[in-house]
Amino acid sequence: DAGVIQSPRHEVTEMGQEVTLRCKPISGHNSLFWYRQTMMRGLELLIYFNNNVPIDDSGMPEDRFSAKMPNASFSTLKIQPSEPRDSAVYFCASRLGQYNQPQHFGDGTRLSIL
Amino acid sequence: QKEVEQDPGPLSVPEGAIVSLNCTYSNSAFQYFMWYRQYSRKGPELLMYTYSSGNKEDGRFTAQVDKSSKYISLFIRDSQPSDSATYLCAMSARRGSTLGRLYFGRGTQLTVWP
Repeated sequence: DAGVIQSPRHEVTEMGQEVTLRCKPISGHNSLFWYRQTMMRGLELLIYFNNNVPIDDSGMPEDRFSAKMPNASFSTLKIQPSEPRDSAVYFCASRLGQYNQPQHFGDGTRLSIL
Repeated sequence: QKEVEQDPGPLSVPEGAIVSLNCTYSNSAFQYFMWYRQYSRKGPELLMYTYSSGNKEDGRFTAQVDKSSKYISLFIRDSQPSDSATYLCAMSARRGSTLGRLYFGRGTQLTVWP
């Protein structure tokens, strides 16, 4: 079975450019999570969706970050404009069912903002 | 104070050693406890999952939860070089405002040398 698929795997861009990260959750999973991982702060939850509806976006750093989930099989995380401090690995995870089920992660997008 | 505390290490042991990894937490509402393993440049993968207190064993891996002390552990017996990875603890609540979220430790970097 296909796992969570993220694209691109690597992204290098200049400060000020728009960045779009993409995620395809595991088929049938109804919750989707976006995380950011850095050496300094570890794994941080940015936002999560349940049945395509944003439930908790308190982790989104600022208005430069936005996330959408137009359907059950696709989500995007957008940064506009990007800044060097946004450099990190961004993970998407999905979950089947309720709160007590584990999350399954993609292999991440390694983002570098120059 | 972070919700979940985990010593980042690094931890370096010889092949065949018993490894003990630990996390402490502050939120007494946490009921579901997980250990994820993350290899370099990959996403976290679920390793162990337990509910409430007690032990769970799976091959060389044993997870322990002590809710009275708010302390969880992962033991690896007969450690192998292939166990070299970062181990993240994670936990979630059964009810309340944090429902649906996973709270992660910073991760402990483990190296098993032959």
